[in-house]
Amino acid sequence: DQQVKQNSPSLSVQEGRISILNCDYTNSMFDYFLWYKKYPAEGPTFLISISSIKDKNEDGRFTVFLNKSAKHLSLHIVPSQPGDSAVYFCAASAWDTGRRALTFGSGTRLQVQP
Amino acid sequence: NAGVTQTPKFQVLKTGQSMTLQCAQDMNHNSMYWYRQDPGMGLRLIYYSASEGTTDKGEVPNGYNVSRLNKREFSLRLESAAPSQTSVYFCASLGRQSTDTQYFGPGTRLTVL
Repeated sequence: DQQVKQNSPSLSVQEGRISILNCDYTNSMFDYFLWYKKYPAEGPTFLISISSIKDKNEDGRFTVFLNKSAKHLSLHIVPSQPGDSAVYFCAASAWDTGRRALTFGSGTRLQVQP
Repeated sequence: NAGVTQTPKFQVLKTGQSMTLQCAQDMNHNSMYWYRQDPGMGLRLIYYSASEGTTDKGEVPNGYNVSRLNKREFSLRLESAAPSQTSVYFCASLGRQSTDTQYFGPGTRLTVL
């Protein structure tokens, strides 16, 4: 039973347009959310995060939106660039037996067409 | 400053063979993690270590053992490899002051025949 779901395995957008990556979660104990970016043959790298007390966090071209009532978050990339082509993982964090535990979604492969 | 390093990058084993995946971090982080990534699934936690000398099971620990050798190094051992352990393995570390931003190594791609 996946607690963090990324229902779109892939997404293709044109350079300069907006990319919207979606993530849904089921566990209401999650209180911190992160997006990681992964290039082939590399480990995931942290991109942006948001606390559950906020509904938006922006960092340059990247904005994460959180809708707690819908248990949904999204990552917006504007404008999209070919270098953004990668797999994006959504992750959610909660306290679990005295430690912070991260639960990852299955990832969305973004391809930005020049 | 290399961050998190993993060796080897690739490995092919036969069923029943054993091997150890090595991980080291130079960021003076307390917590270290081992994940596996399989197609269509997110990263799943195998084991973690909150500090030197302590280890705990994660979501999928069966078939694995770990050793937190010192603050820098955290190894993952497969005693008797099985085809179901074919996967990409990532090591990660987390600083005490960090808000869950784990730093990942480049991964080890393991195939068990």
